[in-house]
Amino acid sequence: DTAVSQTPKYLVTQMGNDKSIKCEQNLGHDTMYWYKQDSKKFLKIMFSYNNKELIINETVPNRFSPKSPDKAHLNLHINSLELGDSAVYFCASSPGAGGNTGELFFGEGSRLTVL
Amino acid sequence: AQKITQTQPGMFVQEKEAVTLDCTYDTSDPSYGLFWYKQPSSGEMIFLIYQGSYDQQNATEGRYSLNFQKARKSANLVISASQLGDSAMYFCAIRWGSTLGRLYFGRGTQLTVWP
Repeated sequence: DTAVSQTPKYLVTQMGNDKSIKCEQNLGHDTMYWYKQDSKKFLKIMFSYNNKELIINETVPNRFSPKSPDKAHLNLHINSLELGDSAVYFCASSPGAGGNTGELFFGEGSRLTVL
Repeated sequence: AQKITQTQPGMFVQEKEAVTLDCTYDTSDPSYGLFWYKQPSSGEMIFLIYQGSYDQQNATEGRYSLNFQKARKSANLVISASQLGDSAMYFCAIRWGSTLGRLYFGRGTQLTVWP
C-alpha cells in the first residue's frame, strides 16, 4: 500500500504543451511538497501546502501552478512547457508540527521529458 | 547565505568496510535539523537518519550513524559494514528553524561498494 503515490511516473511531451502530475498520500500528513531534481541530481523545493494552504513558494515561474483539493492531494500543473522543465518531480509529505523532525516521505518521482 | 556542502562527488568502498560521507553546513540559526537520504538507481528517496541541532548524542540507525560536530558544522554519515546494496547516491539535507519539511539538499555523493 503506497504511502505517497504520484502519477504518471513517466511523461514525455513537446515544448509548449501543458501537463499535470498528480500526488496522493495516505499517511494522514498535514503538509505536502513538490521538489524538483534536475539532470545533475540537485534537489530543490518548489512548493509546500499545509492543509490545502500554500505556505512555501520558492520563486518558481508562474507557469507552475500547484493545487491542493484536500490535504491528501497535491497536484502540479505546468503550462507552456520548456526544455529546462525536464526533470524528476518528487512529491513528498510530512506530519504537522508537534515534535516531529520534519522528515519527508517521498513519492517515487515523476520523470518529465520535454522535447 | 545558508548552504549545505557535500565535497565528495564519488566514493568507493569495499564490501564489509566502513565509509564516511562528508557533509558541512553553514547557518546562523541555532535551531536546525540534519538529514541523510539515500537514492538508489531506481530513483526513490529513502530517509536514513536525522540529527537535531540540540541533540546531545550522535544519531544512530542500524548500520548508519551520524558524526555530528556542531562547532565544525559538520554532519558526516558513517556506514559500517558496507553492503553491495549500499551503492547509491547519498544526500545530506538541512532544515532551518521551524519550517518543517523545507529541506535544502547538498549535491550528493555517489557511493559505489565493490566486492
